[in-house]
Amino acid sequence: QSALTQPASVSGSPGQSITISCTGTSSDVGGYNYVSWYQHHPGKAPKLLIYDVSNRPSGVSHRFSGSKSGNTASLTISGLQAEDETDYYCSSYTSTSTLYVFGTGTRVTVL
Amino acid sequence: EVQVVESGGGLVKPGGSLRLACATSGFAFSRYSMNWVRQAPGKGLEWVSSISSSSNFRYYADSVKGRFTISRDNAETSVYLQMNSLRADDTAVYYCAKGYHDFWSGFDYWGQGALVTVSS
Repeated sequence: QSALTQPASVSGSPGQSITISCTGTSSDVGGYNYVSWYQHHPGKAPKLLIYDVSNRPSGVSHRFSGSKSGNTASLTISGLQAEDETDYYCSSYTSTSTLYVFGTGTRVTVL
Repeated sequence: EVQVVESGGGLVKPGGSLRLACATSGFAFSRYSMNWVRQAPGKGLEWVSSISSSSNFRYYADSVKGRFTISRDNAETSVYLQMNSLRADDTAVYYCAKGYHDFWSGFDYWGQGALVTVSS
């Protein structure tokens, strides 16, 4: 089972909105509503931003939102801030023998 | 305050064994699944293993199946990862993470990670 496909990098100016895609197959992203998104500052503990495609845990900023269409999930960051500059990963349950798979990761740069 | 703290990382030779421990506090440990995720140097996150709240279900990535064993002690609010037959490509920072909602709904609290280096 290969990792879910994310763009290597996405950039935007402060205040803008950006969207990170996460492409899988009907065996994972497209087949189940178990897509999660994480923010990961290198050397620190990853942070759960979105669970079950579009739900935010308590305490997560409303600037982060998730959605899904077919085999592709998306994370949108609105009102981009300097502190958002870091790595982001999607993940999903998969019906293959792998069971759970992460995306390839996206580095967000705030211009 | 929820705390998740990994320990037991270190340098081990190929073919060797290592046991990681993850001590937790601040939540009802026995009600949640627990998980291990790793990140090799310069690479992305990779799911390793998960265990259900009562240890009835244990799941492993294909890359570690048959070599790694996950376990938990609900009385000690700790989870463990026994790693045998270690290979160079097992070198990574290993994170312990608490399951959030349904079993596969994501992981909401993570530790800072334990570095495992497999090298001769």
